[in-house]
Amino acid sequence: QQQVKQSPQSLIVQKGGIPIINCAYENTAFDYFPWYQQFPGKGPALLIAIRPDVSEKKEGRFTISFNKSAKQFSLHIMDSQPGDSATYFCAASYSGNTPLVFGKGTRLSVIA
Amino acid sequence: NAGVMQNPRHLVRRRGQEARLRCSPMKGHSHVYWYRQLPEEGLKFMVYLQKENIIDESGMPKERFSAEFPKEGPSILRIQQVVRGDSAAYFCASSYQEIGYTFGSGTRLTVV
Repeated sequence: QQQVKQSPQSLIVQKGGIPIINCAYENTAFDYFPWYQQFPGKGPALLIAIRPDVSEKKEGRFTISFNKSAKQFSLHIMDSQPGDSATYFCAASYSGNTPLVFGKGTRLSVIA
Repeated sequence: NAGVMQNPRHLVRRRGQEARLRCSPMKGHSHVYWYRQLPEEGLKFMVYLQKENIIDESGMPKERFSAEFPKEGPSILRIQQVVRGDSAAYFCASSYQEIGYTFGSGTRLTVV
């Protein structure tokens, strides 16, 4: 049972473009939604996270949009650069000793 | 302040051998999580431990796999009698509280 569905599986954008990665979740008890970035041969690194009490959070060029009623959240990368080329994972969890559930990942390629 | 340290980075085992993967959490972190990542797949939760306790092992196969996080020393993920299907990247993450994971760089297990 996949509790977090992520799309698209892969994405190619031009430098300066705004890639958007979407995730949908099923468990309404989820209250923590992070995004992770992973480069080849490395572990995932936390990029940005949001809780359901806000609809948007911005950190640098990265923005999370959150739609509680639709049970969806998305990552936007402004002014994307070739160095942003990586695999991005969304995840979700809820308070109280529960582990993160990850989406299957989106492989992003930013071409110059 | 070192991050999450995993070793070895690469491990090759013949079918039937045992694999021992080690994880030293960040200083001050008492929560440890193990995840498995197959090629082109997301991270699958295996087990969540606190010092000397297994909190959640719902993602761990019932046979051949075990994990521990002793009072002193690193967390160990043990896979007995490895099979080719165990080949994957195994990531450990630690946190101070239940959220805000920091991942290690992983151990890439190859079973030949």
